[in-house]
Amino acid sequence: AQSVTQLGSHVSVSEGALVLLRCNYSSSVPPYLFWYVQYPNQGLQLLLKYTSAATLVKGINGFEAEFKKSETSFHLTKPSAHMSDAAEYFCAVPRWGDMRFGAGTRLTVKP
Amino acid sequence: EAGVAQSPRYKIIEKRQSVAFWCNPISGHATLYWYQQILGQGPKLLIQFQNNGVVDDSQLPKDRFSAERLKGVDSTLKIQPAKLEDSAVYLCASRMGTSDTQYFGPGTRLTVL
Repeated sequence: AQSVTQLGSHVSVSEGALVLLRCNYSSSVPPYLFWYVQYPNQGLQLLLKYTSAATLVKGINGFEAEFKKSETSFHLTKPSAHMSDAAEYFCAVPRWGDMRFGAGTRLTVKP
Repeated sequence: EAGVAQSPRYKIIEKRQSVAFWCNPISGHATLYWYQQILGQGPKLLIQFQNNGVVDDSQLPKDRFSAERLKGVDSTLKIQPAKLEDSAVYLCASRMGTSDTQYFGPGTRLTVL
């Protein structure tokens, strides 16, 4: 069954530094992969979606993710962190019409 | 376009009490989901509706949880009686039939004392 694993439950970066949040999918290539962001006391907001049309996917708020089949990865990056990026980030894969989420990575941005 | 609406946003109850949550999906979205998100974890599916029919309720604790979507639009999730371990955020999401993208509501944070 399709699943995703997020490496690192907490990531802390300084403002202006590179953000790298890791996600690996299970061995079979999924048709879609998602990154969602959850700000405190809010629901999940779609950041970006991989659809196999392009391996590098650009999302909102300056985030992007690269699909690498050889590494079974779909890591999320942002060149320069902003204080407003502090949130919980979830990688997810659709499965039989529902969505399977990773455990999440909490991003902290230090001034 | 209005998003997924949920109410209440917060609820505090004592164990063994009952509670109900309401969700109104995005207009035209036939598929509706209820997820449970325990603190520090990713959301886990409780139940999926397609219009007013249940597609998947395999993870729903049916001895205490129930959900309905009678007219194929809004939905209600009920817990009766609540247990301490039910403390979580309950998220509702909806999806158009031709898309894999789910849109989430703000969630209801339930605290069971």
